[in-house]
Amino acid sequence: GAGVSQSPSNKVTEKGKDVELRCDPISGHTALYWYRQSLGQGLEFLIYFQGNSAPDKSGLPSDRFSAERTGGSVSTLTIQRTQQEDSAVYLCASSYSGGLGGELFFGEGSRLTVL
Amino acid sequence: AQRVTQPEKLLSVFKGAPVELKCNYSYSGSPELFWYVQYSRQRLQLLLRHISRESIKGFTADLNKGETSFHLKKPFAQEEDSAMYYCALIHDYKLSFGAGTTVTVRA
Repeated sequence: GAGVSQSPSNKVTEKGKDVELRCDPISGHTALYWYRQSLGQGLEFLIYFQGNSAPDKSGLPSDRFSAERTGGSVSTLTIQRTQQEDSAVYLCASSYSGGLGGELFFGEGSRLTVL
Repeated sequence: AQRVTQPEKLLSVFKGAPVELKCNYSYSGSPELFWYVQYSRQRLQLLLRHISRESIKGFTADLNKGETSFHLKKPFAQEEDSAMYYCALIHDYKLSFGAGTTVTVRA
């Protein structure tokens, strides 16, 4: 596809369950980012990948959150033992080079609701 | 530390009136700043970047290093400008975003 693709678009889960969110970046984009968008909180940085490595995981809120990227392409964000405060829209973005000047192209997001 | 501050959560203006969205930043080096916009039911997308010094959809933003500001302005707002606007700063190879300002342009 032409843009960043995320799935699922909506996920409702029960507290304590694990969830996986997937991101398929634009082909050829080496940099991939995960952000969390909450009401009143703006966009919160979670993790950044350059290729398959994650030089910056500083934004992951707790050890229940993890992410991986394989083949320099698809990335998965996993949230274990979900809590109600994890409810948010999770946005993925990719960039051709990352770093200075690189425009980020965002997906439509995965809306997570934890009951 | 909060790097990007957008003091207004909501901004309502009438069509044809000027609109200004405030953004202040905190950064010790030479800043690189952006405005991103999210229209209803659309993806977040780049509106403009300060290094381009361009006007997009009638919007301009000037970097003021003395005031550490990057306010977004448009002299005559249109109804299609209604959206959520985020100011963002590049640092450490990532974008830090402000909390966003929701703009409503009334007819």
